[in-house]
Amino acid sequence: SQQGEEDPQALSIQEGENATMNCSYKTSINNLQWYRQNSGRGLVHLILIRSNEREKHSGRLRVTLDTSKKSSSLLITASRAADTASYFCATGEYGNKLVFGAGTILRVKS
Amino acid sequence: NAGVTQTPKFQVLKTGQSMTLQCAQDMNHNSMYWYRQDPGMGLRLIYYSASEGTTDKGEVPNGYNVSRLNKREFSLRLESAAPSQTSVYFCASSERETGWWNTEAFFGQGTRLTVV
Repeated sequence: SQQGEEDPQALSIQEGENATMNCSYKTSINNLQWYRQNSGRGLVHLILIRSNEREKHSGRLRVTLDTSKKSSSLLITASRAADTASYFCATGEYGNKLVFGAGTILRVKS
Repeated sequence: NAGVTQTPKFQVLKTGQSMTLQCAQDMNHNSMYWYRQDPGMGLRLIYYSASEGTTDKGEVPNGYNVSRLNKREFSLRLESAAPSQTSVYFCASSERETGWWNTEAFFGQGTRLTVV
C-alpha cells in the first residue's frame, strides 16, 4: 500500500522557475525522504528529514515537514533542464518499512 | 566504486519460466532489498535482508523467493513467471542493519522484465 501521495502528478515549468512538489502520508513516520529518478534509471537519494525536524536544505533543494498535517514539500529553486525527472517521497516507518509514493513527473523546459 | 549492480538489465520470459535476478553491492552495506515499480504505483517492497543470513517479506512477496548469498549479493528468483510480474525491478542497499529504513538507500539501475 502506498503511504506517500505526491501532488501534483505532473508539473511543467520553464527553466529558472521554482518547482514545488507535495507529499501527504497517513501514519506516523520516523523520517521522510525524497528521491529523484531520471528516465530509465534507478532512484537517487536527495534528502532525508527526520520527524522532529521542520525544514532542511541541500543546495537548491528545500524540504519542509509538517507532522501535524502529515505532509511534506520539496522546493527546487532556479530549476534547470537537468532537473527533469520523476520525484518520489518515501516514508520511513517503524516496523521495517520504507514506503514510496507514486511520484511527481517534473519537466523543465529550456 | 560501482555501487549497486543488477543483472540482467532486460529480460523477456514466457509464462511459467523461471529466472533469477542478480544484485551485488560493493559499499559494504548491511541491508539490501528488492522493490518492483509499476506505472502509477510507485515502488513496492518485495523482500528485504537487514543483514547477511536474514531475509523477510515485504509488501508483495507472493511469487518470489530471495537468497542473501553473502554480504554483497542478494538475488531474487521467480519460480514460475506470470504476466502480473511484468515490471521494473530495483535492488537497493543501505548501510545500517537496524533501522535500515531510517537511512539513505542506494539503488541499482533496474531490471526491466516482461512476461508474455
